Amino acid sequence: TQLLEQSPQFLSIQEGENLTVYCNSSSVFSSLQWYRQEPGEGPVLLVTVVTGGEVKKLKRLTFQFGDARKDSSLHITAAQPGDTGLYLCAGETGANNLFFGTGTRLTVIP
Amino acid sequence: DSGVTQTPKHLITATGQRVTLRCSPRSGDLSVYWYQQSLDQGLQFLIQYYNGEERAKGNILERFSAQQFPDLHSELNLSSLELGDSALYFCASSVRSRLNTGELFFGEGSRLTVL
Repeated sequence: TQLLEQSPQFLSIQEGENLTVYCNSSSVFSSLQWYRQEPGEGPVLLVTVVTGGEVKKLKRLTFQFGDARKDSSLHITAAQPGDTGLYLCAGETGANNLFFGTGTRLTVIP
Repeated sequence: DSGVTQTPKHLITATGQRVTLRCSPRSGDLSVYWYQQSLDQGLQFLIQYYNGEERAKGNILERFSAQQFPDLHSELNLSSLELGDSALYFCASSVRSRLNTGELFFGEGSRLTVL
């Protein structure tokens, strides 16, 4: 079983602050996805990164895939209350399985 | 709305009982995935089907079984339920085939409470 550990597990910050969430594994993934889940709903895809070292930006969110394709980070600039939610990374193996990380619960206080 | 429909949304039952959770994937998606989420934590992969065939198995207990029918809807059967089986069960579908997973579209989940 591929283990994807996310840190921090919980994060509470003030509106306007910056933050970084990390997703680490000892396994190599063919691609890595980031999802956000809000209470009472299923996760929704934010981005997919496939190339080692790849950086993708989605407005105030910046995603990076590690050079060795074992880790990833999500950086949020000037966090807003609407960013509140559970952030999940998910790594895809060559066996066509998608394994989810342990999750980071972000709370942005107005 | 992801286009994935799960029923029931909530289910309360007793230990030792059996329940069936149902999932209708997005129109045109051939792959269906089942995940278990406990205590608002990460998702544990249970099982995947592609066009009616089991494609991959994760940490699925022997008391659990699933199938995908010709019309592509899927059912997850949970038997001899234990207190620890209380969780959110998510179904997701994907348009991708056997080569890669692609984006997963999740339903709203079925919340199972075992008393």
